[in-house]
Amino acid sequence: SQQGEEDPQALSIQEGENATMNCSYKTSINNLQWYRQNSGRGLVHLILIRSNEREKHSGRLRVTLDTSKKSSSLLITASRAADTASYFCATDEDYKLSFGAGTTVTVRA
Amino acid sequence: NAGVTQTPKFQVLKTGQSMTLQCAQDMNHEYMSWYRQDPGMGLRLIHYSVGAGITDQGEVPNGYNVSRSTTEDFPLRLLSAAPSQTSVYFCASSPFGQGTQYFGPGTRLTVL
Repeated sequence: SQQGEEDPQALSIQEGENATMNCSYKTSINNLQWYRQNSGRGLVHLILIRSNEREKHSGRLRVTLDTSKKSSSLLITASRAADTASYFCATDEDYKLSFGAGTTVTVRA
Repeated sequence: NAGVTQTPKFQVLKTGQSMTLQCAQDMNHEYMSWYRQDPGMGLRLIHYSVGAGITDQGEVPNGYNVSRSTTEDFPLRLLSAAPSQTSVYFCASSPFGQGTQYFGPGTRLTVL
């Protein structure tokens, strides 16, 4: 069964705007990871946030984690056309990842 | 480093045929895994391995076999292909202690 669930399923924004997507999960986790998938390609790792961390940054990406609510969010600031992709959260249980269905982000020029 | 490589990129099978999807990594990672991705769904874990000679089942193992005779290679065998196995298959590897997984480009399999 899929542990993570992303919301919204799809998001369309203008270049330069911020994009926020959320992930909810069901059971306790060691860490939560976010991946990006460009159309027809493999997944690329973006950020890993551990269960004892609340916020993490990487370039234009900001991830938050609220273990009490079993939720995480991914914020992409100042979006670019190249950010058009599907974004997946994945919970990690001893290296076994459980993915949500993803959020498809379209950045319009 | 080539990273994680998968062959073939595309494959069409007839129901009942068998085949092996190849996966190799040159990063000396201990952990390797196979996922399948179906339309509108996230990836689901088929089988995984924590090192040479050690494999275990994931969420959707039925119809698939794996073995791990070397650190580098982790082939996935379809024993008797069924239309329900039409999917995109991804192999991934990870070094112990890091958590981050490195994915291959995928194999798109169609079973008629």
